[in-house]
Amino acid sequence: NAGVTQTPKFQVLKTGQSMTLQCAQDMNHEYMSWYRQDPGMGLRLIHYSVGAGITDQGEVPNGYNVSRSTTEDFPLRLLSAAPSQTSVYFCASSYLQGALDSPLHFGNGTRLTVT
Amino acid sequence: KNQVEQSPQSLIILEGKNCTLQCNYTVSPFSNLRWYKQDTGRGPVSLTIMTFSENTKSNGRYTATLDADTKQSSLHITASQLSDSASYICVVSAIYGGSQGNLIFGKGTKLSVKP
Repeated sequence: NAGVTQTPKFQVLKTGQSMTLQCAQDMNHEYMSWYRQDPGMGLRLIHYSVGAGITDQGEVPNGYNVSRSTTEDFPLRLLSAAPSQTSVYFCASSYLQGALDSPLHFGNGTRLTVT
Repeated sequence: KNQVEQSPQSLIILEGKNCTLQCNYTVSPFSNLRWYKQDTGRGPVSLTIMTFSENTKSNGRYTATLDADTKQSSLHITASQLSDSASYICVVSAIYGGSQGNLIFGKGTKLSVKP
């Protein structure tokens, strides 16, 4: 049972480059989300989706795009990387974010460095 | 402003000892409170989810308590093991209008268990 799979595990970009972080889940979860984790801060929500074709912004969406064409996949695109986007990115999924017995399942993260 | 505060920031204990981690929150309206364990280099993994009406919930050697009146929660770890070394994150779910809630993450407590 793979759960939530993120690729790549590590990435180094130069300022201005673009890239896509991949996220796939095999649990048939409707809800998928992207977070960033920075030292000394809690996880912060970037974008989320409640189903194929539906996405919305979280707390820190600027500089990132998402799309959800299938239930399984939720890629995160960095349009023009900036050093402020150096962070660890986590993808998470659940049956329904507000469900009382539905915890978020996290991938193991992508560590991104922008120079 | 919705906030989740965790204490202490870090903690070192000897293997076999017990410890208690604290979480105070100012989140309204409250839906549920979650504790996650995050090993170094990995994504968070759910330990417990508690709703307003639950005072205590256990998961093996982990016992979470919730006092909804004082808006405090604690995570008690019994007979600690080296594998308990991790960050422990308190997350509170708020109910907003609409079908989706909102998750507010604490910054975590870093626990080190020494032999």
